[in-house]
Amino acid sequence: DQQVKQNSPSLSVQEGRISILNCDYTNSMFDYFLWYKKYPAEGPTFLISISSIKDKNEDGRFTVFLNKSAKHLSLHIVPSQPGDSAVYFCAAGGTSYGKLTFGQGTILTVHP
Amino acid sequence: DAMVIQNPRYQVTQFGKPVTLSCSQTLNHNVMYWYQQKSSQAPKLLFHYYDKDFNNEADTPDNFQSRRPNTSFCFLDIRSPGLGDTAMYLCATSRDRGRGGNQPQHFGDGTRLSIL
Repeated sequence: DQQVKQNSPSLSVQEGRISILNCDYTNSMFDYFLWYKKYPAEGPTFLISISSIKDKNEDGRFTVFLNKSAKHLSLHIVPSQPGDSAVYFCAAGGTSYGKLTFGQGTILTVHP
Repeated sequence: DAMVIQNPRYQVTQFGKPVTLSCSQTLNHNVMYWYQQKSSQAPKLLFHYYDKDFNNEADTPDNFQSRRPNTSFCFLDIRSPGLGDTAMYLCATSRDRGRGGNQPQHFGDGTRLSIL
């Protein structure tokens, strides 16, 4: 049973435009959500997070939105840059100490 | 730079032959995690150490063991690897554990393990 799902395996965006990556979850016990970015041959790198008591968190070009009623979160990247091309994982925590549950990832390609 | 370092980066081993993967950290974090990631799938938590306290996930096969001899090092031992254990193995650390996942985890670059 996959509790965190990223239904789009890939996304292609033009440089300068907005990238929107989506994530859905099923477990209402999750109370913290994170996004990680992964380049080839490297480990995931923490990008941004949001607590369930908020509906938006912003850090520079990156904004995460949380819709608890829909059990949905999204990551917006504005403006997108070629260096943003990577695999993006969403992850959720709160069901037990230390545990993060990851989605399968979305491959983002930003074209110059 | 403070880092999470995994060795080796690539490991090929024979079916049934024990293998050990290594992880070290210079962040002085209390928590160390091991994840398994199969091709095009989500990373899956196998277990974690909170200081010396070992926490196994319920669905982690008995074939997988871990050791943490000190704060800096953690090992993943696969006693009798099967073909289905071919995967990327990721080590991660966090300063503390946190109930809500509010402790970002810092990942190493992984060990790609192939079982032949």
